[in-house]
Amino acid sequence: DGGITQSPKYLFRKEGQNVTLSCEQNLNHDAMYWYRQDPGQGLRLIYYSQIVNDFQKGDIAEGYSVSREKKESFPLTVTSAQKNPTAFYLCASSIKTGMNYEQYFGPGTRLTVT
Amino acid sequence: EDQVTQSPEALRLQEGESSSLNCSYTVSGLRGLFWYRQDPGKGPEFLFTLYSAGEEKEKERLKATLTKKESFLHITAPKPEDSATYLCAVQAAGNKLTFGGGTRVLVKP
Repeated sequence: DGGITQSPKYLFRKEGQNVTLSCEQNLNHDAMYWYRQDPGQGLRLIYYSQIVNDFQKGDIAEGYSVSREKKESFPLTVTSAQKNPTAFYLCASSIKTGMNYEQYFGPGTRLTVT
Repeated sequence: EDQVTQSPEALRLQEGESSSLNCSYTVSGLRGLFWYRQDPGKGPEFLFTLYSAGEEKEKERLKATLTKKESFLHITAPKPEDSATYLCAVQAAGNKLTFGGGTRVLVKP
């Protein structure tokens, strides 16, 4: 059964702690992405990776870090430097269709930092 | 800078009352416009990709259209299960998407 999995669904952390969110896909997609969604807002791109061992900053990369050691996995670390880490985090992967890249999303991880 | 604006922010419909959602965009060299449906607490679900002005795509009660400056998502005779947030996104160069803020649709029986 192909898809994108994110774990855990809910995550709670104390301020000052780093936390890593998991994202795995078995769709054989080359590109993977991390987005952040705040209440009532659209998605904002944090980081993306088009191939293994390579990734680029998105629009709001400060306070986040990623790695891409395997094609299937793209974990996101929310560091203590991120000023407002509480949000809904979405991972996506994409396949090239003609000139375009249709992105498919995982179920999301809701992070609460207190 | 690419920009996407969706309107209205929220839409309340009676079951069977057809309506349209708007997605206006400013982008250099549009390569694709995407519509997604998102249920509360879940990831967005892919609906459509539109590539060029004049293109239309349909899925059940949903129909998406594209012009050079905007896209419309028409909901025909909606049912309560069509209640969701509908997101629009554009792709210019590369494979990054720029998303609008979404339209929350509530269909009452």
